[in-house]
Amino acid sequence: DIQMTQSPSSLSASVGDRVILTCRASQNINNHLHWYQQSPGKAPKLLIYSASHLQTGVPSRFSGSGTGTDFTLAISSVLPEDFATYYCQQTYSSPGNTFGQGTTLVI
Amino acid sequence: EVQLVESGGGLVQPGGSLRLSCAASGFTFTNYDMQWVRQTAGKGLKGLEWVSVIGIDGDTYYPASVKGRFTISREDAEKSLYLQMNNLRAGDTAIYYCARVGRYGALDYWGQGTLVTVSS
Repeated sequence: DIQMTQSPSSLSASVGDRVILTCRASQNINNHLHWYQQSPGKAPKLLIYSASHLQTGVPSRFSGSGTGTDFTLAISSVLPEDFATYYCQQTYSSPGNTFGQGTTLVI
Repeated sequence: EVQLVESGGGLVQPGGSLRLSCAASGFTFTNYDMQWVRQTAGKGLKGLEWVSVIGIDGDTYYPASVKGRFTISREDAEKSLYLQMNNLRAGDTAIYYCARVGRYGALDYWGQGTLVTVSS
């Protein structure tokens, strides 16, 4: 099974900061990597698909990059509504898929 | 507007059964694979795990953790997705989400989730 490891597990930031979250796959997954945001009490929401493609309606302050085993999600200038938990997901082994354990962005 | 609405969660004893439903609207249901994902509550709500996938052709897939106990199905005429869960265990306690499989396998729409608690 492909394992996904996110770091850090928790990240402190202030409004206006630029932050970078990391996701690493246990083997090459090309660009079959997606990012989700989950706010408390809500379902996950797709932000980025295929490593770097912004989902429709998602603000441009979010961006994704990477290929192979190492991926990043960047928020260029954090807003109050961005404090949430972020998950990566690989679909290289589709239909099976694996999520990372999440990174919580805290104030 | 795409909407997915789950129902059917609740409290069930170990070894019991439960059937979850997901009502879809706002898109052509027959054009999309669908997936169930669960989220366990360890230290806070984390631990997303795929539970099952059903293709537009009806092919089904499961991880080892639920294979043989869970059955995913779809009723295209009703725009509905189902998850039959048998022989439930404490470790199956989670929030269960249905999700639409979009481009490149990403889950582009999710329901609000339904809580399943397995306990005596």
